[in-house]
Amino acid sequence: GENVEQHPSTLSVQEGDSAVIKCTYSDSASNYFPWYKQELGKRPQLIIDIRSNVGEKKDQRIAVTLNKTAKHFSLHITETQPEDSAVYFCAAPKNQAGTALIFGKGTTLSVSS
Amino acid sequence: DSGVTQTPKHLITATGQRVTLRCSPRSGDLSVYWYQQSLDQGLQFLIQYYNGEERAKGNILERFSAQQFPDLHSELNLSSLELGDSALYFCASSTKTGTEAFFGQGTRLTVV
Repeated sequence: GENVEQHPSTLSVQEGDSAVIKCTYSDSASNYFPWYKQELGKRPQLIIDIRSNVGEKKDQRIAVTLNKTAKHFSLHITETQPEDSAVYFCAAPKNQAGTALIFGKGTTLSVSS
Repeated sequence: DSGVTQTPKHLITATGQRVTLRCSPRSGDLSVYWYQQSLDQGLQFLIQYYNGEERAKGNILERFSAQQFPDLHSELNLSSLELGDSALYFCASSTKTGTEAFFGQGTRLTVV
């Protein structure tokens, strides 16, 4: 089964700075890696995902990179804004059958203006 | 609005009691997942159902059980409740595995 490790657990940046969150996974057969954002008191929502056949994907200020050899993937947020403050979760499929998502423990990002 | 509906939003009950949480997935989604979110444990996967059948199990206690009905809604039953079961319980659904999972707004369970 999959095991997902996420670092750091907390991250504080100044508005306009970049933020990077890293995750490692254990199952080399995993092929889908989403990132979810959870604002205080709200549900987790998908912000970006990447499949194992690509190394990088970008959507405006956010990007995700994947290194299959090292079994890690990262979330990059550029030009951070106060509204980026939230908890971010990475995830990977539970097993090769691609069933449920196993989540990292989350990173609390604080962006101060 | 994700299209996933969970009821009730809040539930307060006493230790030793039994409760049922309900989830209606997005229209057309066959997979339903249950997650438990405690303050220090992130999103813990409990169980998945696909088109009425159990597909995967996570860290679900024996006191907990779930099922998915023919109309695809799902229920999570929690029995012999303990203080440590207090948490936010999320249901999520997806069209198929390996695609975006949409979360409901959660049920906050408080055991007193």
